[in-house]
Amino acid sequence: QKEVEQDPGPLSVPEGAIVSLNCTYSNSAFQYFMWYRQYSRKGPELLMYTYSSGNKEDGRFTAQVDKSSKYISLFIRDSQPSDSATYLCASKLYNNNDMRFGAGTRLTVKP
Amino acid sequence: DGGITQSPKYLFRKEGQNVTLSCEQNLNHDAMYWYRQDPGQGLRLIYYSQIVNDFQKGDIAEGYSVSREKKESFPLTVTSAQKNPTAFYLCASSIVVTGSLGEKLFFGSGTQLSVL
Repeated sequence: QKEVEQDPGPLSVPEGAIVSLNCTYSNSAFQYFMWYRQYSRKGPELLMYTYSSGNKEDGRFTAQVDKSSKYISLFIRDSQPSDSATYLCASKLYNNNDMRFGAGTRLTVKP
Repeated sequence: DGGITQSPKYLFRKEGQNVTLSCEQNLNHDAMYWYRQDPGQGLRLIYYSQIVNDFQKGDIAEGYSVSREKKESFPLTVTSAQKNPTAFYLCASSIVVTGSLGEKLFFGSGTQLSVL
């Protein structure tokens, strides 16, 4: 079992839709949770990160962590064609070097 | 502009050949990493380094070697012992927080390595 599981998609939505991207993780000791966005053949860029449980909002993006169910979510409101990319979730232990990535979900937002 | 530069963008390896991927950063980060990305498998850690002249193996270090002679540079050599080297290779850096690697990784644009 992979430590971080993510549905690879692909996911296709119309412009303006609300997008929900999800991951599950197996290690209950993970404390940091990150979302990276990766455009085709580019390096990932950090989009959101949260520490422990709860929600974090940044513009059209909301990251949500539910530690009780070991579930990580990223919501994108009013999705735009420029949001078309692969989204990678990642988790990390506190004070530890071990970061684990999901396989990535490929998202296409159609105009 | 601060960032991470990887070169070359595309690289081809002949059987039995060693090749070296370059990674340079001017972010003044202490930690640097090499990841391998294969379709459907996410990022897997090859090696990381928290400080000059020191580095640690990641999950898939076999067939790879690194050096860290300067803070800014962390080259990766794919040796002939790596039998399946075709992949997208990503270099990253981060700060070191209270002795452990930070959670915010900054990535380069990657190198696509293919076997001839």
